[in-house]
Parts: sequence; C-alpha cells; structure tokens
Amino acid sequence: SAVISQKPSRDICQRGTSLTIQCQVDSQVTMMFWYRQQPGQSLTLIATANQGSEATYESGFVIDKFPISRPNLTFSTLTVSNMSPEDSSIYLCSVGYGNTEAFFGQGTRLTVV
Amino acid sequence: RKEVEQDPGPFNVPEGATVAFNCTYSNSASQSFFWYRQDCRKEPKLLMSVYSSGNEDGRFTAQLNRASQYISLLIRDSKLSDSATYLCVVEYNNNDMRFGAGTRLTVKP
Repeated sequence: SAVISQKPSRDICQRGTSLTIQCQVDSQVTMMFWYRQQPGQSLTLIATANQGSEATYESGFVIDKFPISRPNLTFSTLTVSNMSPEDSSIYLCSVGYGNTEAFFGQGTRLTVV
Repeated sequence: RKEVEQDPGPFNVPEGATVAFNCTYSNSASQSFFWYRQDCRKEPKLLMSVYSSGNEDGRFTAQLNRASQYISLLIRDSKLSDSATYLCVVEYNNNDMRFGAGTRLTVKP
C-alpha cells in the first residue's frame, strides 16, 4: 500500500494567480498521476508524471497551464497557472503498482474567485 | 463514445435492497478492472477488483464479461453505510486508469 500526503487540502485563489499542489508518497514509485474532478463528475486524468522526464499530458491539458515537477521518486507537484473560475475543481494525485490498486491523495479543493 | 460508461443513477434504495450497477468500456485492450467507492468530499478508495471468473466479497459481487466489454457490481442487503458514489475503473497499462462518471447510491432507512 501507499500513503500519500497531499497539500493544500483546500484553497481559495484570485483569478490570474497560480497554485502549486504537492504530493508526497511514503515509498518510491515510478509513475504518479494527476487527476481533476469537477463538481458532480468523475476523475479526468490530467497528466502522468515520470521521474527524470517530462510529464505526459492528456488531450485538453497543456504544460503551460498545468506544469508538473517530479524531482524524485516520492514527490511531485502540479501547478494550476493563471487560474480562472473554470479551474475550480478537486485535484488529486495518485500512485499505483502495475495493474493493482491505485492510491489517492486526499485531494485539493480549489475555488477560484 | 466515452471510454468508460456507467449507469447515470442516482439510485435510491431502502435498507436491505439489492442493487446492481453496470458499466461498459470501449477499449478491448483493457487489462484490469475495478470498482472504487468515493464518499462525499473524500478521495476514491478501492472497493474490489473485477476478475473474469467473477468474484465476491461479502455482500458485493463483481462480474466481468470481456466479450461484451461489460462490468457489473451487485450489492446485496444494502446498508446505510453503502451510500456513496461507485466508480467503474478500467486500466489500460501502467496504472493508466480511466474512470466512469460514477453512480451515486443512497440507501435509506
């Protein structure tokens, strides 16, 4: 299993600013994933964060808007840049161990005003 | 077509009822299948994996039909504590997971 510490748990931000979300895992993992969950909807994969290489983004998500860092095998950050109210959502990081259970951080509830 | 489609719900059932959720997926190369449970304002947590032979865990039974690309979850003798959103999850590879929109279940006394 994995324990993931994600922070902040929530934030209220002004439009045009940026927020960086951090995820710390209690063990080394090759891949970490960042999801967005908009109100009343399921999780949408933003990108896969690989240690030592650039993140791989899903269709509709770009690096300029959601830059990701993965400096080592236990840590990753996701930045939501130049925020607008449409970015209000829950952001979750996740890790897994090859075709088995995925573990999630507690989520960051972002409100952009 | 969405990658993973679920019953839209919501399901409102009395305690003790049996309820079934259905899910279909579009990618025949999918390798692993799961049901996750998400409580309000919480992160998703694994409820059970789904195997081709079908598997049961107490009151919960999951079925997979690869030919039809169909997954189901059956909950028997519903409890109030079963109230949550149930997410159908399909994994392609290396934990590349695709989530259904979720089905909300409310079990009432």
